[in-house]
Amino acid sequence: IVMTQSPATLSLSPGESATLTCRASENIRGDLAWYQQRHGEAPRLLIYDAFTRATGTPDRFSGRGSGTEFTLTISSLQSEDFATYYCQHHHAWPKTFGQGTKVEI
Amino acid sequence: QAQLQESGPRLVKPSETLSLTCSVFDDRITDTNHYWAWIRQSPEKGLEWIGSVLHTGTTFYNPSVRGRISISADTSKNQFSLKLRSVTAADTAVYYCAKHVFTQWFGPWGQGIPVTVS
Repeated sequence: IVMTQSPATLSLSPGESATLTCRASENIRGDLAWYQQRHGEAPRLLIYDAFTRATGTPDRFSGRGSGTEFTLTISSLQSEDFATYYCQHHHAWPKTFGQGTKVEI
Repeated sequence: QAQLQESGPRLVKPSETLSLTCSVFDDRITDTNHYWAWIRQSPEKGLEWIGSVLHTGTTFYNPSVRGRISISADTSKNQFSLKLRSVTAADTAVYYCAKHVFTQWFGPWGQGIPVTVS
């Protein structure tokens, strides 16, 4: 299953909202996770099962979608949110990731 | 929650075997609900899951490395290990270990260890 993210880069200001898109090459139901990776750090799980926030994920992060199209919305960007975001399907083996969306100032 | 720490050589010669160990703290790898995974990241391939192991030794591998990879678990040390044989420059990456929750999503992750094949 190929995961495609868009856009590659999103240039926004603090306080604005961000909407990131992830598309799967086939129907993955709601079997999608989102990760945040800050520069020089390991990825961190944000959301799983398309919309369930992981422990410690602020509620300004919200996930939606099912089937082949998914979105991650970050409302009111904070300075710590400027990072790269990856989606990953957990529908079948092998688990695959998208190529990432960088949210920059 | 769990903390994971990768260790091993950071430089491997072409055609040799890459060997890494992940030590798990504040969690037990014997939990029957979860696997333990290796994921790598390179500029060329991005994030790539390469394999997962259950404490019993049951494994799943990515077809991209099948035939060269083995992952094992050592319950007495609460560690799991990766061996990748016949490496080439294409195996140069940052290698992460992570908890593979219900064989679905990954978290938490270790800090990562950069490995260069040269």
